[in-house]
Amino acid sequence: EAGVTQFPSHSVIEKGQTVTLRCDPISGHDNLYWYRRVMGKEIKFLLHFVKESKQDESGMPNNRFLAERTGGTYSTLKVQPAELEDSGVYFCASSPLRGHYGYTFGSGTRLTVV
Amino acid sequence: SQQGEEDPQALSIQEGENATMNCSYKTSINNLQWYRQNSGRGLVHLILIRSNEREKHSGRLRVTLDTSKKSSSLLITASRAADTASYFCATDQKETSGSRLTFGEGTQLTVNP
Repeated sequence: EAGVTQFPSHSVIEKGQTVTLRCDPISGHDNLYWYRRVMGKEIKFLLHFVKESKQDESGMPNNRFLAERTGGTYSTLKVQPAELEDSGVYFCASSPLRGHYGYTFGSGTRLTVV
Repeated sequence: SQQGEEDPQALSIQEGENATMNCSYKTSINNLQWYRQNSGRGLVHLILIRSNEREKHSGRLRVTLDTSKKSSSLLITASRAADTASYFCATDQKETSGSRLTFGEGTQLTVNP
């Protein structure tokens, strides 16, 4: 079974530019989450999709962040325009709709805004 | 203190020794999970303990949960150099899948060969 895949693994962009992160969850997992770890601090929740619907986006820091999950498969997280404080590691996770056996995380995208 | 706060922040031990990491949290939970992150890699789920459980084992891992003290500990026995990683606890307040996890800042474990 393929795991959660994130692309790119690293991204270095200039302040003001746009970056789009992608996450491919495990096939059949309806729940998809985005988290991020900024500056070695705790990992914080950003938002949660159930299929293509946003279930909870209360963790999104501001309107420069836009997440989509068209068709309920892969998801993208766009940061536009990027700011220095957006630097960090962005993790995606997925889980099945039923049962509770932990979440499967991707390897993360390390974003550096210079 | 933050929900899911780990203690210590950093731990350095020799191979073969045991490593104990602690986690405290604030709110009521349905379960608590431990994750590991190797440098540059993703989070790997290690073990989940439910609020009605007190202890759980998985290989060299032993997790305890004390809901009265809102704390958990992760014990890694007979550590190996490959156990070097960051360890995070995460709390989940809901019974079913589909809720946010609240993470702590993690413990950086270094196992010296």
